[in-house]
Amino acid sequence: GAVVSQHPSRVICKSGTSVKIECRSLDFQATTMFWYRQFPKQSLMLMATSNEGSKATYEQGVEKDKFLINHASLTLSTLTVTSAHPEDSSFYICSARSLRDNYEQYFGPGTRLTVT
Amino acid sequence: KQEVTQIPAALSVPEGENLVLNCSFTDSAIYNLQWFRQDPGKGLTSLLLIQSSQREQTSGRLNASLDKSSGRSTLYIAASQPGDSATYLCAPGYWGAGSYQLTFGKGTKLSVIP
Repeated sequence: GAVVSQHPSRVICKSGTSVKIECRSLDFQATTMFWYRQFPKQSLMLMATSNEGSKATYEQGVEKDKFLINHASLTLSTLTVTSAHPEDSSFYICSARSLRDNYEQYFGPGTRLTVT
Repeated sequence: KQEVTQIPAALSVPEGENLVLNCSFTDSAIYNLQWFRQDPGKGLTSLLLIQSSQREQTSGRLNASLDKSSGRSTLYIAASQPGDSATYLCAPGYWGAGSYQLTFGKGTKLSVIP
């Protein structure tokens, strides 16, 4: 199956700093990637849809200036949490859509962000 | 707006039992539906994908069915094993606002007791 990686798997940062999370599709090209966040015992909530070479589409209530998304290539998307706040502490998961597999989405292992 | 409900929220069964996880969704205009498993603190592993034109998909001990018109899907796990313990998520995929996306239920947390 298709493999998606995320880096880092865990990150701790101080309030006010920025942190970047990378999402890579390792063995397929992904024109579209998705970023989700998941709070404890809650489901995944879509934050934004990232299309290669164009601006990301953010879901209602997600601040685009706070969560910067860049999808510069067919295998890499990055999420930068700017001016991090303790409320941003969460589990961030990316996924990549494979056009060859009937739009099946493949998920990364997630990044645990803790803001102190 | 698509809403997904999974029942039960948690399930504990002895090893070897067959079990059924239920998923319902409010908007039947879906493109496909995926079932995932999530282990604690981990990402999602895709188990099965059913296209909207299909009724069921099978992979090993797993069988997923889809009744699109009634907005229901079930995941059947045969001869459960302790390694099946995880949270199972249902996610219908659909085209919304010009893009394809998934909406997730809160999941069913399964515990298989040895």
